[in-house]
Amino acid sequence: GAVVSQHPSWVICKSGTSVKIECRSLDFQATTMFWYRQFPKQSLMLMATSNEGSKATYEQGVEKDKFLINHASLTLSTLTVTSAHPEDSSFYICSATRTRGNNEQFFGPGTRLTVL
Amino acid sequence: GDSVTQMEGPVTLSEEAFLTINCTYTATGYPSLFWYVQYPGEGLQLLLKATKADDKGSNKGFEATYRKETTSFHLEKGSVQVSDSAVYFCALSGRGGANNLFFGTGTRLTVIP
Repeated sequence: GAVVSQHPSWVICKSGTSVKIECRSLDFQATTMFWYRQFPKQSLMLMATSNEGSKATYEQGVEKDKFLINHASLTLSTLTVTSAHPEDSSFYICSATRTRGNNEQFFGPGTRLTVL
Repeated sequence: GDSVTQMEGPVTLSEEAFLTINCTYTATGYPSLFWYVQYPGEGLQLLLKATKADDKGSNKGFEATYRKETTSFHLEKGSVQVSDSAVYFCALSGRGGANNLFFGTGTRLTVIP
């Protein structure tokens, strides 16, 4: 149990377009989901914490108007990169914690975004 | 602030060799420490953890001991297998519990037959 999926696994888009990435908990309910960003050879950096039914909490330096997060159900959170630019190219990873659990985070496989 | 410094890779070992991946941390207070593993094409999985000083986390033959005096949490395995090939991440939870995870850069391990 505790499987998290992401879709798509990779996406290429043109500069100026918006891209939506989905994060789903497949076999558990997740009140809280997290979005991370990973640059090559660097750590995962937490971007935001998403709670079902409420606004996401963004980390310092992350533009909330650029990275829109929606957590409309207990099994789905979406990250939309608006007006994407080449510097937004990165590996985006989500994780989720069980609604009834010990705060352990279960991670998705990640989404590779390339902005041309 | 809280941070994790992890041994850079990649690391290539022959099967049955001994593995050490170094990890040191900087944190205020008393964080919990974690090792995550990411197999090709999969998400990060929790490998082991330790929540207080001198605790030893262990799983699948891997071990790490929470050393407060040296602020370290080195990952070890006595005899690696080809199936251990993966990327390993050291992490700590800062203030706020497991919701605030700080990761190292990851170390890619390749085990050759």
